[in-house]
Amino acid sequence: EAGVTQFPSHSVIEKGQTVTLRCDPISGHDNLYWYRRVMGKEIKFLLHFVKESKQDESGMPNNRFLAERTGGTYSTLKVQPAELEDSGVYFCASSLRLDWKYEQFFGPGTRLTVL
Amino acid sequence: AQSVTQPDIHITVSEGASLELRCNYSYGATPYLFWYVQSPGQGLQLLLKYFSGDTLVQGIKGFEAEFKRSQSSFNLRKPSVHWSDAAEYFCAVGAPSGNTPLVFGKGTRLSVIA
Repeated sequence: EAGVTQFPSHSVIEKGQTVTLRCDPISGHDNLYWYRRVMGKEIKFLLHFVKESKQDESGMPNNRFLAERTGGTYSTLKVQPAELEDSGVYFCASSLRLDWKYEQFFGPGTRLTVL
Repeated sequence: AQSVTQPDIHITVSEGASLELRCNYSYGATPYLFWYVQSPGQGLQLLLKYFSGDTLVQGIKGFEAEFKRSQSSFNLRKPSVHWSDAAEYFCAVGAPSGNTPLVFGKGTRLSVIA
């Protein structure tokens, strides 16, 4: 069974440009989460989808970030326009049920560098 | 608000030596507690978790952790470290309801020397 995949693995863009990150969860996992880790800081929650609906987007930093999950399968996270402080590693995770007894499986992350 | 403190940013141990990574949490009740490991180029992998019951939990790769309510701690231990254990380790806390996000610590990077 394939795990959580993320694309691209690395992205280097200039300030003001747009970047779109993609996450493919484990098949059948209704819950999809986005997290971000800025260098030297903790991993912080961004948002949570249940199927195609946003369950919790309290961690989204500002309106330059837009997440979608069309059809309840893969998800995209768009940053437009990107700022220097958006640099970091963006992780995606998926789980079968909304209950911490069901493991969250994490992808390898996308390292975003904004110059 | 929930918070997790991992006081050690970087630890270096010799191969074969014992290991203890510290984790303290702040939470109003008994939370669900987790340890994850991230090896280079990989995603976070769950090592072990505590929900209730026996305060000493066993995980994968020979790791164990002990929940101490009086100290609000959930330290990770391994009796004999292998070179392949070099990675970054994250402690996390979650509300039992599952409807609030996991809160992570800043991580501890483990280096293993011969």
